Amino acid sequence: AQSVTQLGSHVSVSEGALVLLRCNYSSSVPPYLFWYVQYPNQGLQLLLKYTSAATLVKGINGFEAEFKKSETSFHLTKPSAHMSDAAEYFCAVRPTGNQFYFGTGTSLTVIP
Amino acid sequence: NAGVTQTPKFQVLKTGQSMTLQCAQDMNHEYMSWYRQDPGMGLRLIHYSVGAGITDQGEVPNGYNVSRSTTEDFPLRLLSAAPSQTSVYFCASSPLGGSEQFFGPGTRLTVL
Repeated sequence: AQSVTQLGSHVSVSEGALVLLRCNYSSSVPPYLFWYVQYPNQGLQLLLKYTSAATLVKGINGFEAEFKKSETSFHLTKPSAHMSDAAEYFCAVRPTGNQFYFGTGTSLTVIP
Repeated sequence: NAGVTQTPKFQVLKTGQSMTLQCAQDMNHEYMSWYRQDPGMGLRLIHYSVGAGITDQGEVPNGYNVSRSTTEDFPLRLLSAAPSQTSVYFCASSPLGGSEQFFGPGTRLTVL
């Protein structure tokens, strides 16, 4: 069975501090991996995706994520948090076929 | 391109009522899916379709029906609404084997 684990349902960081949101997955084959962001009362927007090319993936708004096969991880980082980064973040995996599997989400709060 | 559109944005139902949530996409995507989002549970797949005339169940299909008569439309029907179906519903689409899903803005449903 496929699964995605996001450690920490709530993360708080100070403005300007490093953002680290953790995601681990279980998959029997190298998957496609995604991070989506959801701002309040909005739909999901793709931040970045890993599709078996470079293991360090850069996305929008200064976010990046690194695929580590040995750790089955795909953690999301941003060097310096901005107030506008406050949102819900979802990690997702697409092992094979068309189905996506989502983590339970991490709510990011940025403290001024 | 309008992308993925959903109507209505908000809906309040009484227990036992039926209704249809509409979803349409103009990207000619074969794959379409419905998710529900509940606090602390992430996105859970309700039903999906890989093309016109083909639908299948996801993780939480009970109480919901779908049909896919055209590539563009994928309505979700609640036959007899229950308070447990209070949630935010998202429709998504992607090309078959595509590397990302595109999400609609969501429908917030409350069942009293």
